[in-house]
Amino acid sequence: KNEVEQSPQNLTAQEGEFITINCSYSVGISALHWLQQHPGGGIVSLFMLSSGKKKHGRLIATINIQEKHSSLHITASHPRDSAVYICAPNFGNEKLTFGTGTRLTIIP
Amino acid sequence: NAGVMQNPRHLVRRRGQEARLRCSPMKGHSHVYWYRQLPEEGLKFMVYLQKENIIDESGMPKERFSAEFPKEGPSILRIQQVVRGDSAAYFCASSPPGRPYGFYGYTFGSGTRLTVV
Repeated sequence: KNEVEQSPQNLTAQEGEFITINCSYSVGISALHWLQQHPGGGIVSLFMLSSGKKKHGRLIATINIQEKHSSLHITASHPRDSAVYICAPNFGNEKLTFGTGTRLTIIP
Repeated sequence: NAGVMQNPRHLVRRRGQEARLRCSPMKGHSHVYWYRQLPEEGLKFMVYLQKENIIDESGMPKERFSAEFPKEGPSILRIQQVVRGDSAAYFCASSPPGRPYGFYGYTFGSGTRLTVV
């Protein structure tokens, strides 16, 4: 069964802290997406990974295919990073399956 | 280079009316996907289309919902005889030609928030 779990569900941190959001999935995938959704807003695709690590500004995404696990890291977090972060693997049928998201709040 | 354009951003319909949601994919993209996000729930796949073809509609409710992507013009998600349970955010995404489901990247629209009163 194609399942994806994110942790934590909610995360509150102080500005400047290093943030880690985790995503585990149940079976083999071809790729995995990290998405960002601001309250009442649209969805932005942050990363698409099939192996290794990608970095964009203060955001870093890693994936371990053998362990079926991906992480999204935010360095030097800022209140504007407050959003819901969604992990979405492409399973065997290649459709995206979306995690329930991690609600991140960064306090100034 | 405009991204994925969805309109309207907000749509209010009375029960029993029809809702039409439009999506223009990013320039050069040939795959269009519709997703629904119910309040306090995650995104769920509805349908995947290419020009003049429905490729996968396994996520569409069996009744009242239809989608099209005509040769000319935007993709349309149509909901007939709306009910309160249809209130949700509907997102469109597009991806480049070739391997589907965003393997070469996804671009999402800003969504249409449908409220049924």
